[in-house]
Amino acid sequence: QQQVKQSPQSLIVQKGGISIINCAYENTAFDYFPWYQQFPGKGPALLIAIRPDVSEKKEGRFTISFNKSAKQFSLHIMDSQPGDSATYFCAALDYGGATNKLIFGTGTLLAVQP
Amino acid sequence: DGGITQSPKYLFRKEGQNVTLSCEQNLNHDAMYWYRQDPGQGLRLIYYSQIVNDFQKGDIAEGYSVSREKKESFPLTVTSAQKNPTAFYLCASTDRAFSNQPQHFGDGTRLSIL
Repeated sequence: QQQVKQSPQSLIVQKGGISIINCAYENTAFDYFPWYQQFPGKGPALLIAIRPDVSEKKEGRFTISFNKSAKQFSLHIMDSQPGDSATYFCAALDYGGATNKLIFGTGTLLAVQP
Repeated sequence: DGGITQSPKYLFRKEGQNVTLSCEQNLNHDAMYWYRQDPGQGLRLIYYSQIVNDFQKGDIAEGYSVSREKKESFPLTVTSAQKNPTAFYLCASTDRAFSNQPQHFGDGTRLSIL
């Protein structure tokens, strides 16, 4: 119940296309959902995050869509660029809960072809 | 610039040897974390500390030890009891433990077996 399932494992998108990464969870106590971007040899960096009281959050070319009833959330990267090529991790946090852990998905390796 | 510094970037361990990974932060954060990253498995929590002189085990603490004698430092020792230590190790910190404040990550230490 503590898992966050992420798909796809890898993704190839043409420059200018839309990249979509999906995550699903079971624990309804999760109430904070961040996405992290990681370049090779670097640590993850927070990209964008959402709370379950909103269905969508947009920051520049990056959008999180959140479906509370389906317990799913996704990252959309519009106008994908070669510089977006990285590994993306979704995560979920039970803020204020007994476990209080940030649970990470298994990651998606995105390659944007020029 | 404020941030998290991990050293060394690469580390090699001989059989039966203990090795220590350094993590230093100048963000004045109370909480610090150690994660292990393996291909296809996302980030798994090893240990975390919410305050100086206090730390708790994460999901995969066996074979590891930590100390938190100073607010800015949270070293991780990989002991000889850890039979599969080859991985990318990431240190992170936040203002408050497991809050919805973003976790800031260092650039990692890659540990390999000789």
